[in-house]
Amino acid sequence: GAGVSQTPSNKVTEKGKYVELRCDPISGHTALYWYRQSLGQGPEFLIYFQGTGAADDSGLPNDRFFAVRPEGSVSTLKIQRTERGDSAVYLCASSLAAGGTDEQFFGPGTRLTVL
Amino acid sequence: AQSVTQPDIHITVSEGASLELRCNYSYGATPYLFWYVQSPGQGLQLLLKYFSGDTLVQGIKGFEAEFKRSQSSFNLRKPSVHWSDAAEYFCAVGPNNNDMRFGAGTRLTVKP
Repeated sequence: GAGVSQTPSNKVTEKGKYVELRCDPISGHTALYWYRQSLGQGPEFLIYFQGTGAADDSGLPNDRFFAVRPEGSVSTLKIQRTERGDSAVYLCASSLAAGGTDEQFFGPGTRLTVL
Repeated sequence: AQSVTQPDIHITVSEGASLELRCNYSYGATPYLFWYVQSPGQGLQLLLKYFSGDTLVQGIKGFEAEFKRSQSSFNLRKPSVHWSDAAEYFCAVGPNNNDMRFGAGTRLTVKP
């Protein structure tokens, strides 16, 4: 079956621009997670959804970052007024449910470069 | 607060040799522990996880890890490395599968 997909795979933008990154989770997975991975680092938690609601957004670095999951499936991570420090690989993962032992399945990521 | 340390940034082993990747964690309660592998252009893949029970955990691709509470460690091992094992390996800790904190990773190079 299809895994987690993320689009675009690469995004180059200019400082100050707005970007949207999309995540399609595995069908039937109710939990969806966003991470950011900077060069030479491990993934850093940003936010996770259980269904349509953001259950924990404590990892979002500031109010320029926002994520939605309006129908409980596809999610979009939105970054306003991008800064060079936002350059990273943004990873999405999904699991059957949150809060237990279900495995998170990761997508290939979107590499964001802010010039 | 939970945290993970992977002391080795880069390790090189010869094909067929044994491998041990170190992971030390800091966590106030009984942790959930994970090892993930990330190959170039691929998403993170779960190798194994520990929640409770037997402290020696078997995973996919011939990997195993041992939870040692007294040492706050969860080292990953493989008896004989294959060239296809070259990748980045991440240890993670959390209270469950939601709130994982990842280490900075260890890059494994396999010499022919």
